[in-house]
Amino acid sequence: KQEVTQIPAALSVPEGENLVLNCSFTDSAIYNLQWFRQDPGKGLTSLLLIQSSQREQTSGRLNASLDKSSGRSTLYIAASQPGDSATYLCAVVAGGSTLGRLYFGRGTQLTVWP
Amino acid sequence: GAGVSQSPSNKVTEKGKDVELRCDPISGHTALYWYRQSLGQGLEFLIYFQGNSAPDKSGLPSDRFSAERTGGSVSTLTIQRTQQEDSAVYLCASSLANMAGPEQFFGPGTRLTVL
Repeated sequence: KQEVTQIPAALSVPEGENLVLNCSFTDSAIYNLQWFRQDPGKGLTSLLLIQSSQREQTSGRLNASLDKSSGRSTLYIAASQPGDSATYLCAVVAGGSTLGRLYFGRGTQLTVWP
Repeated sequence: GAGVSQSPSNKVTEKGKDVELRCDPISGHTALYWYRQSLGQGLEFLIYFQGNSAPDKSGLPSDRFSAERTGGSVSTLTIQRTQQEDSAVYLCASSLANMAGPEQFFGPGTRLTVL
């Protein structure tokens, strides 16, 4: 069974810092990896999608990398801002009979203070 | 529509009652997913629908849970004889097609509280 782990569970930093959030998964047979943001009491907002054949994706101040063979992904946030405060979730789509379903990590709760 | 919508946004019910949760996917999306987010449990998969294929129900926690998707669009998740452990946020997502891992877009969720 695919298991997804995110480290750290929580992170509190001052505004302006560059951050790295880590995600690891146990089964490298994935189709893609998706990073989401969740604000308190809200649904999930998709940030970046990396297909299994890709190594990284970038959107604005966000950069996500994927090392499928080692089962790892990192989300890099440059020049963090208080508005980046949220929970960041990593999820993978596994292949085989479970194609389509997302396996989620528990998330990293990020607080950026001014 | 512009995004995935879910209703109601909040539902409070008494133990033993049945509830129905509704999801309207993004127009044209053929794949639809239900997930549950419980306090301290993280997000777990419940069920997904892809076009006219038989749904993958492997994540449903008990036979009190069922879901249907009518006309390939709107989906309803039904929980019969609700229990307190069913309290959670139920999230719906949709995607263009279930092949090679398309991006999934989530609705705002329905917060279910069972008293």
